[in-house]
Amino acid sequence: AQSVTQLDSQVPVFEEAPVELRCNYSSSVSVYLFWYVQYPNQGLQLLLKYLSGSTLVKGINGFEAEFNKSQTSFHLRKPSVHISDTAEYFCAVTPQGAQKLVFGQGTRLTINP
Amino acid sequence: NAGVMQNPRHLVRRRGQEARLRCSPMKGHSHVYWYRQLPEEGLKFMVYLQKENIIDESGMPKERFSAEFPKEGPSILRIQQVVRGDSAAYFCASSPPSGGPADTQYFGPGTRLTVL
Repeated sequence: AQSVTQLDSQVPVFEEAPVELRCNYSSSVSVYLFWYVQYPNQGLQLLLKYLSGSTLVKGINGFEAEFNKSQTSFHLRKPSVHISDTAEYFCAVTPQGAQKLVFGQGTRLTINP
Repeated sequence: NAGVMQNPRHLVRRRGQEARLRCSPMKGHSHVYWYRQLPEEGLKFMVYLQKENIIDESGMPKERFSAEFPKEGPSILRIQQVVRGDSAAYFCASSPPSGGPADTQYFGPGTRLTVL
């Protein structure tokens, strides 16, 4: 079975500051990794995904994430956040050979002016 | 290309009634997934369907819940005899026919079910 842990339930930052949202996973098989963003009262939108190859993945809206196999982590980063980045962020994995996404609990990112 | 459509967006039911949630996948997509988001929690997988087939229902509660994806029409998630604990946001996602686990799942806006 797989599990995903997002280490911070809430992260407040000031506008234009850098941010890192942490994600660790546990799995006995290889997985694909995803970050999704959920704006208030909306569905989830894919930010980026790691399938193979380079461990640094660039996504939409200036976000990037780095896959670290030895630490089983997939932390999300942005060098300078904007008010519009206020949202809930979900890390997820799919075990290779399966179709379902296993989500973490989510991290609520709040940007203060 | 229209995205994943879900209706209704909000649904209120009294305990013991039935809830029917509908999901129309993106055009050209033949794989549908249902997830449930309880308050203050992440999304939990419920069921994965292809046209006329249930592929994985490992996340579905054993009783009262059922899902279908007929040859024609939307996918339906049906909850019989709802209880207060069923109050949640139910999200549908779809993916293309290639059907690989690396495929992106595209999510709808969700149906927020409130059981009184």
